[in-house]
Amino acid sequence: ETGVTQSPTHLIKTRGQQVTLRCSSQSGHNTVSWYQQALGQGPQFIFQYYREEENGRGNFPPRFSGLQFPNYSSELNVNALELDDSALYLCASSLELPTDTQYFGPGTRLTVL
Amino acid sequence: AQKVTQAQTEISVVEKEDVTLDCVYETRDTTYYLFWYKQPPSGELVFLIRRNSFDEQNEISGRYSWNFQKSTSSFNFTITASQVVDSAVYFCALSGGDSNYQLIWGAGTKLIIKP
Repeated sequence: ETGVTQSPTHLIKTRGQQVTLRCSSQSGHNTVSWYQQALGQGPQFIFQYYREEENGRGNFPPRFSGLQFPNYSSELNVNALELDDSALYLCASSLELPTDTQYFGPGTRLTVL
Repeated sequence: AQKVTQAQTEISVVEKEDVTLDCVYETRDTTYYLFWYKQPPSGELVFLIRRNSFDEQNEISGRYSWNFQKSTSSFNFTITASQVVDSAVYFCALSGGDSNYQLIWGAGTKLIIKP
């Protein structure tokens, strides 16, 4: 058990809709990172937040956005869903520095129809 | 640019055999960190080990061992006396330097342990 939780576990949406995925980090972990993992592939970095500020972003369009809150929770929002957004979305928390070990939650499986 | 290569897409062995998963990385940074994660069918990524670039000592944890060689840019993972519960996808990852805010992942190696 990593102490990182995500909700919901599974989600089905239709193309064009918006979705919000939630993550609760380990207490005391000030960094949260979000990843997208397509079936059969390694995770792809979406973005990272450190103390509620975006600290880096991968090659994802602006319709992927996020928030981090003072209570160690965070959100990933995706607007105008596309079929290719179907994937496992993982959040990971780490203590302070980005190079600290990242501990992952169980993920949210998003299916876009 | 940083890159992690796991050339073995899938490995299948019989229980109790030893198996080594290869990981080769590329980076121009002098300070970096290497990781191994396990992803069982449930999907959650489980942290196994973190190694920094200044520590080339091999690591052993029970049936697991890791061999870090900077000369060949490799960070290989060996499971001794494999068990069915070891079946999973194993990922090698790299962080540090230009992309110090993210993990660069290999494509993963699917390990199948047959009873």
